[in-house]
Amino acid sequence: QLQLQESGPGLVKPSETLSLTCTVSGGSISSSSYYWGWIRQPPGKGLEWIGSIYYSGSTYYNPSLKSRVTISVDTSKNQFSLKLSSVTAADTAVYYCARHKAAKGFCWGQGTLVTVSS
Amino acid sequence: QTVVTQEPSFSVSPGGTVTLTCGLSSGSVSTSYYPSWYQQTPGQAPRTLIYSTNTRSSGVPDRFSGSILGNKAALTITGAQADDESDYYCVLYMGSGSWVFGGGTKLTVL
Repeated sequence: QLQLQESGPGLVKPSETLSLTCTVSGGSISSSSYYWGWIRQPPGKGLEWIGSIYYSGSTYYNPSLKSRVTISVDTSKNQFSLKLSSVTAADTAVYYCARHKAAKGFCWGQGTLVTVSS
Repeated sequence: QTVVTQEPSFSVSPGGTVTLTCGLSSGSVSTSYYPSWYQQTPGQAPRTLIYSTNTRSSGVPDRFSGSILGNKAALTITGAQADDESDYYCVLYMGSGSWVFGGGTKLTVL
């Protein structure tokens, strides 16, 4: 059974870079036709797609975040990562990683809260 | 940028039927958008209910169903139960590797 687990610092200072890793178990991150993505949810608000990396390595980002986001994959560790630069308090959220594709929907990690504060 | 619209809130009586919708700020939702639906309770990760318009995820009761109604995607809950009280989100595939989530619907069962 596929499982995804987010990890990374729970507290990031303003203007710094948020870095999270998603470790995948029960399946290969090289699985064909799947995207590996990041979604976030600010406290009390809705879900927002941040971006995804396709199994081929192509990346796709939310236009509203594109200038600050980098998603990468490490197939040797079966992990993929998110970097979000120049963070502000507005980036405080629960960050979820997920495996997804159009015809199969999203399979979610548990989520991890990241707070941006000095 | 495209906005995906959902009712902010909805109320249903226990045992009743409710239909939540997922639309576009411009245009119609079709199966080509592969609409999917997620249920979320406070403090929990979203749970997949429906994907590819009308396919129920494993373990989801058949009182949850998905469809296209008019120009929107729809999630219908038949025989609502108290533990259906949750937030519900739809997401649409916009093509070219891009997804957009709706703002969510807070469903109250009372």
